[in-house]
Amino acid sequence: EIVLTQSPATLSLSPGERATLSCRASQSVSSYLAWYQQKPGQAPRLLIYDASNRATGIPARFSGSGSGTDFTLTISSLEPEDFAVYYCQQRSNWQYTFGQGTKLEIK
Amino acid sequence: EVQLVETGGGLIQPGGSLRLSCAASGFTVSSNYMSWVRQAPGKGLEWVSVIYSGGSTYYADSVKGRFTISRDNSKNTLYLQMNSLRAEDTAVYYCARVARFGEQPSYYFDYWGQGTLVTVSS
Repeated sequence: EIVLTQSPATLSLSPGERATLSCRASQSVSSYLAWYQQKPGQAPRLLIYDASNRATGIPARFSGSGSGTDFTLTISSLEPEDFAVYYCQQRSNWQYTFGQGTKLEIK
Repeated sequence: EVQLVETGGGLIQPGGSLRLSCAASGFTVSSNYMSWVRQAPGKGLEWVSVIYSGGSTYYADSVKGRFTISRDNSKNTLYLQMNSLRAEDTAVYYCARVARFGEQPSYYFDYWGQGTLVTVSS
């Protein structure tokens, strides 16, 4: 099973700042990695797929990069509505796994 | 408009059984890969099971042999039969559709229901 490790666990930033979230896979997942945003009491929302493609309706301030084992989600300038928990996710051998999440909180 | 609505959650004693339903609208369940993902209170997301359009099914090791995913094409509904429930199965259970980008299903989930809470406790 491929394990996804996200860092940091918590990121404290102010609106307008740049956020950089990391996801590391225990073995290569090529570019088959997604990022989700989850707000309290809500279902997750797909942000990025195939490491760098924005899903429908996702603002351009969200971008993804990386391949192999190291991936990054960048939010270029934080808006108040961006403070949430972010998860990375992959599928390998019919098993889907999520990272443990990064909580992005207001500083 | 794509919509997924889960029902069937509740309080159940350890060792008991429960069946969750996920009614879909705006698309055809049988033509898509469909999955269940759960989230224990205050914890992260955990994938549970998937059913492919061809009928193949796969499970997380934590539920293999106890949970069964299925669908009713006439009702456009996805199910999760949960047997031998344990305290650690307590979670919000989401159904989710596997996204399609082009002809083939992808590896990701583009639509999610609102979730249904399952509490396993005596």
